[in-house]
Amino acid sequence: DAGVIQSPRHEVTEMGQEVTLRCKPISGHNSLFWYRQTMMRGLELLIYFNNNVPIDDSGMPEDRFSAKMPNASFSTLKIQPSEPRDSAVYFCASSGGSPPYEQYFGPGTRLTVT
Amino acid sequence: QKEVEQNSGPLSVPEGAIASLNCTYSDRGSQSFFWYRQYSGKSPELIMFIYSNGDKEDGRFTAQLNKASQYVSLLIRDSQPSDSATYLCAVRGSARQLTFGSGTQLTVLP
Repeated sequence: DAGVIQSPRHEVTEMGQEVTLRCKPISGHNSLFWYRQTMMRGLELLIYFNNNVPIDDSGMPEDRFSAKMPNASFSTLKIQPSEPRDSAVYFCASSGGSPPYEQYFGPGTRLTVT
Repeated sequence: QKEVEQNSGPLSVPEGAIASLNCTYSDRGSQSFFWYRQYSGKSPELIMFIYSNGDKEDGRFTAQLNKASQYVSLLIRDSQPSDSATYLCAVRGSARQLTFGSGTQLTVLP
């Protein structure tokens, strides 16, 4: 079975450019989570969706970050404009509809903003 | 205030020994508890979860939960060099999101 799919796996961009990260959750899962991981701050939840609806976006750092989930099989995380401090690994995870709601992670996107 | 605390390590154990990883959490309403393993440069991988007090065993791994003490642990028996990784403890409250600890780096020495 296919796990969580993320693209691109690596992204190098210049400061000020728009960056779009993509995620396809596990089929049948109804919750999707975007995380950011850095050495300094560890694994941070940015936003999560339940049944395609954003439930908690309190972790989104600032207005430069936005996320959408237009359907059950696709989500995007967009950074515009990007800054060097956005450099991190961004993970997408999904979980199903019954307890304990364990999450399965995608391979991540390593973002470098120069 | 950090809600999920783990010793950052590094923790080193010899091959064949038992590795003990510990985690405490602050929210008494927490319902489910998870252990993830993360190899360097890879994504977190779910090892096991527990939601009832006591022990849960899966192969060489045993998770232990004590809700009264707000404590969860992971024991790895017969540790192998391939177990060397960072282990993340995660806790779920009443909602769907998980709160992760900062992880414990484990090294198993051949």
